[in-house]
Amino acid sequence: GDSVTQMEGPVTLSEEAFLTINCTYTATGYPSLFWYVQYPGEGLQLLLKATKADDKGSNKGFEATYRKETTSFHLEKGSVQVSDSAVYFCASTPNSNYQLIWGTGTKLIIKP
Amino acid sequence: GAGVSQSPRYKVAKRGQDVALRCDPISGHVSLFWYQQALGQGPEFLTYFQNEAQLDKSGLPSDRFFAERPEGSVSTLKIQRTQQEDSAVYLCASSLASGASYNEQFFGPGTRLTVL
Repeated sequence: GDSVTQMEGPVTLSEEAFLTINCTYTATGYPSLFWYVQYPGEGLQLLLKATKADDKGSNKGFEATYRKETTSFHLEKGSVQVSDSAVYFCASTPNSNYQLIWGTGTKLIIKP
Repeated sequence: GAGVSQSPRYKVAKRGQDVALRCDPISGHVSLFWYQQALGQGPEFLTYFQNEAQLDKSGLPSDRFFAERPEGSVSTLKIQRTQQEDSAVYLCASSLASGASYNEQFFGPGTRLTVL
């Protein structure tokens, strides 16, 4: 069945470091892909999304490109801040389906 | 504006008790979703409503789980005869339109259920 795999955490970086959180998916169709973020004590919120191959989603300095050839949607940010500390979830929706399929989440810790 | 709210935020139940978890979606949102999130895991889909109609309940783990949305707004997830394996965070999400895959889902803070 469809699934999402993302790198295990925690990922610990210093402020202003470059961030990559890997995410790969399996799907029989053409899913939409999402990154959600959960800040401490808050609910999940959408960070960015891409709905078709080669689309790039971006928000708050974060970017991810939908790569069909490698079935990947890696999250990147050029210079992280302490305020980016959170848990990041990669998710997909199978073709024409509303069910979100989630990765296990990656905890990001940014040290000043 | 007000987001998705859930109550209670925390619930402790003894094994065998029934519990009811409430979700207030964003006003006017057509679609409503329930997810279960075990510790250290991503959420897992439980059920989906479009207005008052429950269109998909394929993720409900057993017939002890029941969800309703009688007037197309507030929803209640009920768990009968709770078991320890029901311990998890229960998340509610709503979206503005019908459940096409590209519609953003807005999440509530969740209800953490602990079954002793």
